[in-house]
Amino acid sequence: DAKTTQPTSMDCAEGRAANLPCNHSTISGNEYVYWYRQIHSQGPQYIIHGLKNNETNEMASLIITEDRKSSTLILPHATLRDTAVYYCIVRVSLKTSYDKVIFGPGTSLSVIP
Amino acid sequence: GAVVSQHPSRVICKSGTSVKIECRSLDFQATTMFWYRQFPKQSLMLMATSNEGSKATYEQGVEKDKFLINHASLTLSTLTVTSAHPEDSSFYICSPQTSGEQFFGPGTRLTVL
Repeated sequence: DAKTTQPTSMDCAEGRAANLPCNHSTISGNEYVYWYRQIHSQGPQYIIHGLKNNETNEMASLIITEDRKSSTLILPHATLRDTAVYYCIVRVSLKTSYDKVIFGPGTSLSVIP
Repeated sequence: GAVVSQHPSRVICKSGTSVKIECRSLDFQATTMFWYRQFPKQSLMLMATSNEGSKATYEQGVEKDKFLINHASLTLSTLTVTSAHPEDSSFYICSPQTSGEQFFGPGTRLTVL
């Protein structure tokens, strides 16, 4: 059974913020929220991950709700190169205990000029 | 970030031949290697998991005698598609893991004629 649900597709205007939602209502206390993206014909690229606090890096921001049942990936200024399939994944990720990354269908984001 | 290479990046072969795909972790040692495949317009599907020096564990529906995995060292794993058929045409992606973090190769596009 899928641990996350995401919209199938989204459009975003170039230069605008892209907000990609993800529901993970059955997340466990030791599971992190990970985001990857896959540009056509390339391997998946890591974007960001978090446990319960909001996170930001040079690529994106991750906002996790207080109950941890959902999260939003924010690309602050989307460019055409951000057109890709975005995958939200929950997994345990510790040195001594980890889950393999299982991909759902993801959200296909199209950035429009 | 961690660097993962795959070779070849694309290969075309005749039906009935065998194809070997190499995956190397260039700047870290991978205790575990995952192999995924991706059919057009579909998500990545996990094929098998291997630990260095051990036999691979295959996901349900993946033939272990057809997809031979060798993980002889911490920096190299190979996937051999034996007696390839047109239905094996796919995008194959390796994913080495260390300390709970998974990284992804750029993928190998296999076309079987």
